[in-house]
Amino acid sequence: AQSVTQLGSHVSVSEGALVLLRCNYSSSVPPYLFWYVQYPNQGLQLLLKYTTGATLVKGINGFEAEFKKSETSFHLTKPSAHMSDAAEYFCAVSDPGGNNRLAFGKGNQVVVIP
Amino acid sequence: NAGVMQNPRHLVRRRGQEARLRCSPMKGHSHVYWYRQLPEEGLKFMVYLQKENIIDESGMPKERFSAEFPKEGPSILRIQQVVRGDSAAYFCASSPTSEAAHEQFFGPGTRLTVL
Repeated sequence: AQSVTQLGSHVSVSEGALVLLRCNYSSSVPPYLFWYVQYPNQGLQLLLKYTTGATLVKGINGFEAEFKKSETSFHLTKPSAHMSDAAEYFCAVSDPGGNNRLAFGKGNQVVVIP
Repeated sequence: NAGVMQNPRHLVRRRGQEARLRCSPMKGHSHVYWYRQLPEEGLKFMVYLQKENIIDESGMPKERFSAEFPKEGPSILRIQQVVRGDSAAYFCASSPTSEAAHEQFFGPGTRLTVL
């Protein structure tokens, strides 16, 4: 079974500072990896995904993530935080042979301090 | 192209009542997934359906919960005899294929409160 670990349920970052959200996964097969963002009272929106190929993936809103197989990690970064980045962020993994169902981490609630 | 639609957005039920949650996938999508988000938790997979078929219900509680995706109309998640522990946000996602790499598009969710 696949699982995702996101540490630190609440993350505070100053406006203009680096955003770093950590994600580690366990999977018995090469996984597909995703980061989703959830704004209050809304559904999840895909930020970026890794399937195959280049391990550094660029997404929307200036976010990027790097797949590191040796570390079983897929950390999300953004060089400079904006107030609009305040939201909840979820890392997810899917098994390529498992009907596309997603296994999610518990999420990181990001607070941006002016 | 309208996104995934869910209704109602908020649903309040008393213990023992039934809850019906509806999900209309994006146009052209024939694959529907239901997830549940408990407070302070990430989303947990419940069930995966295609038109008229349940493909994977390994995440569904064994009792009181059922799901369908009929040939016509929305997908329905039904919870019978609700209990307080059923209070959660229920999200539906749709996808055009079952290919694992493909993005799932999420609806805004139904927030169920059981009194």
